[in-house]
Amino acid sequence: AQTVTQSQPEMSVQEAETVTLSCTYDTSESDYYLFWYKQPPSRQMILVIRQEAYKQQNATENRFSVNFQKAAKSFSLKISDSQLGDAAMYFCAYKKGGATNKLIFGTGTLLAVQP
Amino acid sequence: DVKVTQSSRYLVKRTGEKVFLECVQDMDHENMFWYRQDPGLGLRLIYFSYDVKMKEKGDIPEGYSVSREKKERFSLILESASTNQTSMYLCASSPHPRDTAYEQYFGPGTRLTVT
Repeated sequence: AQTVTQSQPEMSVQEAETVTLSCTYDTSESDYYLFWYKQPPSRQMILVIRQEAYKQQNATENRFSVNFQKAAKSFSLKISDSQLGDAAMYFCAYKKGGATNKLIFGTGTLLAVQP
Repeated sequence: DVKVTQSSRYLVKRTGEKVFLECVQDMDHENMFWYRQDPGLGLRLIYFSYDVKMKEKGDIPEGYSVSREKKERFSLILESASTNQTSMYLCASSPHPRDTAYEQYFGPGTRLTVT
């Protein structure tokens, strides 16, 4: 069975600094997708970034980028120039490719941003 | 923008009551999901639906049922609420899983307290 592990329950970063959130996963599939979701204190979860396993290039969305290490089954999220609005719970998630709907979530990392 | 709405942000119910949580999406998505979110456990899938009147059990379906009579609406039912069902409940919707831009869109959540 696929699993997703986030080993950092809480992290803190200074405003304008860079922080990296860790995620590892376990799968025997070759076709899959990985996601980082952000859940701000208002609770509406939104997608931050998506990575297709077949793509070697790391996904980037503005200040957010990932380090996707397929062999190591690692999928870390880097937030550059951290802002107060980045404070949130971050969830890593995995989806098998094909017709599977199911997302498997990690337990989350609570990120605090210090002014 | 995709909008997923949930009928209540906060709900307090008594043990043994029948509880209905409603979710509506406005993007004509085929798929809808119910999760519960608990600290340290991440998001766990209760049920999902891939079409009207079609449903599949997730990882923790015990004590819950669902109803999808219309494409845009997906209801979670607690037949006889118990204190261990106190949690945050998140609804989500998604396009077809083979969509290359696949993501799940989440509602704001319902914080249910059973006393």
